[in-house]
Amino acid sequence: KAGVTQTPRYLIKTRGQQVTLSCSPISGHRSVSWYQQTPGQGLQFLFEYFSETQRNKGNFPGRFSGRQFSNSRSEMNVSTLELGDSALYLCASSLGQVVGEQYFGPGTRLTVT
Amino acid sequence: GENVEQHPSTLSVQEGDSAVIKCTYSDSASNYFPWYKQELGKRPQLIIDIRSNVGEKKDQRIAVTLNKTAKHFSLHITETQPEDSAVYFCAASKREQRGSNTGNQFYFGTGTSLTVIP
Repeated sequence: KAGVTQTPRYLIKTRGQQVTLSCSPISGHRSVSWYQQTPGQGLQFLFEYFSETQRNKGNFPGRFSGRQFSNSRSEMNVSTLELGDSALYLCASSLGQVVGEQYFGPGTRLTVT
Repeated sequence: GENVEQHPSTLSVQEGDSAVIKCTYSDSASNYFPWYKQELGKRPQLIIDIRSNVGEKKDQRIAVTLNKTAKHFSLHITETQPEDSAVYFCAASKREQRGSNTGNQFYFGTGTSLTVIP
């Protein structure tokens, strides 16, 4: 089975711009979660989608949003980028019906200048 | 919400020695505890997990123990090798209701940087 994939792998954006990141889960997985990873804060949960519905949301401002499509692929959008948004953004997929094994993608490295 | 604390933040061991990383959690409703290994520049990889109805699980050189009463769980790596050098993350997770939806919520520790010295 192919693993979780994320595109793009690297992005450089300017403050004030917006960005869209994409995540394709493992085939058959219906849950996609997004995390922000920074050296100081570790892995911070952004949100979880299951069957096109956001089931859970972390403590991030409304500039961070996401969606999930009928094929379980998910996108994450960050509007009005700030310097502090520079981070590695990871998505993880799982079957989703119960808490269980979650597999990460390679991440998108976002740099905001 | 849940609070996961992980110790130590850095750990150096000689090749062949054992390494132990400990995590505590606060929410007794957490029922699934995975451990991830993240090598530099790579994605976190699931290496072992344990559910709350099990006290110990072993996979070759890696084992995880869970003490539900004390709300702590530990990762044990025996006969360490240089390729075990990485950052290790613990997590505690559960089903969590937000509004009308119930989702899977993972709370991660801050990571332990393990260095195995040849």
